[in-house]
Formats: sequence, structure tokens, C-alpha cells
Amino acid sequence: KAGVTQTPRYLIKTRGQQVTLSCSPISGHRSVSWYQQTPGQGLQFLFEYFSETQRNKGNFPGRFSGRQFSNSRSEMNVSTLELGDSALYLCASSSRDRGVYEQYFGPGTRLTVT
Amino acid sequence: QKEVEQDPGPLSVPEGAIVSLNCTYSNSAFQYFMWYRQYSRKGPELLMYTYSSGNKEDGRFTAQVDKSSKYISLFIRDSQPSDSATYLCALSSGTYKYIFGTGTRLKVLA
Repeated sequence: KAGVTQTPRYLIKTRGQQVTLSCSPISGHRSVSWYQQTPGQGLQFLFEYFSETQRNKGNFPGRFSGRQFSNSRSEMNVSTLELGDSALYLCASSSRDRGVYEQYFGPGTRLTVT
Repeated sequence: QKEVEQDPGPLSVPEGAIVSLNCTYSNSAFQYFMWYRQYSRKGPELLMYTYSSGNKEDGRFTAQVDKSSKYISLFIRDSQPSDSATYLCALSSGTYKYIFGTGTRLKVLA
């Protein structure tokens, strides 16, 4: 079974621009979560989607948004990029049938804001 | 105060040593406790998860939860160079929101 895939793997943007990151979960998984990982703050929860509905949201500004499509693929958007948004963005999927605590992570998208 | 505290390391040990990795937390609502391993340039992979207090063993790995002390541990027996990675603890109160520690970098020297 293919794992979680994320595109693109690397991205360089300038301040003020916006960016869209994509995540394809493991086949059959309907829950997709997004995280931001930085050296100082570690992994921080952004939001979680299940069957196209946002179920949980972390403490990030409204510039961070997401959505999930009917095929469970998810996108994350960051508008008006700031230098502090430079981070590794990780997507994780899980199958509710196996237990929500078994999250499978993708390799991440490394975003650099200059 | 952070909800979860984890020593960042790095922790260097010789091959074959027993490794102890720990996290402390402040929110007594946490019921689910997980350990992830993250190799460089990869996403985290789930090693173990436990519910409530107690021990859980899986091969060379043992997870321990002490809810009264708000302290969780991961022990690695007979450590191998391939265990060199960053280890992250993650906690959940039962919602779909997880709180992660910042990770401990482990180096097992051959």
C-alpha cells in the first residue's frame, strides 16, 4: 500500500506571497491532519479533516487554512507568507477503523520564506 | 509552561546500551500516549501507543506511563546504530488533536 505523499517536497517563496501544499493520504484513510515542525517549537498541530469536515483546529492565525476533497486528498494554504512560516509542513493520515491514534506521516514539504 | 516537556538532547550512547527517553506533561486530561521516531528528512513514524497508565512492550521497545507523576518514558534495549533518530512523544486527551514534545535526538555509536 502506498504511503502518505506530499507535494511539493521543497518550496521557496517570498514574504507576502501565498502557497498551497498538497497531501494524498493512504488509500482508505479518511482523516488527514496537518502539522508545522520547526526546531524551536517542534511539531504543532494545525488542523484535522475527516470526510471533508474540519474537526479540530490548532492555535494558528487565519492565514493558515485547509480543505479536504471527496477523495480524502487535502490541501493546506498559507496566505501573506511571513519569514516565521519557514518550516517543515507534515501531513498525517489515519484510518478511523484502526484507531485514530495510528497516524501515518508523509515526508513533509520544506517551505522556506525569504 | 509548555504542555509537554522533552529534553532535546543530543543523547549519545554506545551500541548495546539501554536508552531511556522521557517526557513530562502538565495536563491531567491526557489519556493517550504515543512515541514516534523521526529519521532525518523523513516524517515521524509511530512506534508505540498506550492508553492510561502502565507498561507496554514491543520487541526492544518498552513504553511506560505514570499518570500520577505526569511522566512517560520509552526504553530501548540493546540499542543499535539504526536507532539513531529523533524520538517524539505525543499526547492526546481523546480528541483528534495531538500535542507533541519537541523531540530528543539520539545517537547510538557503533
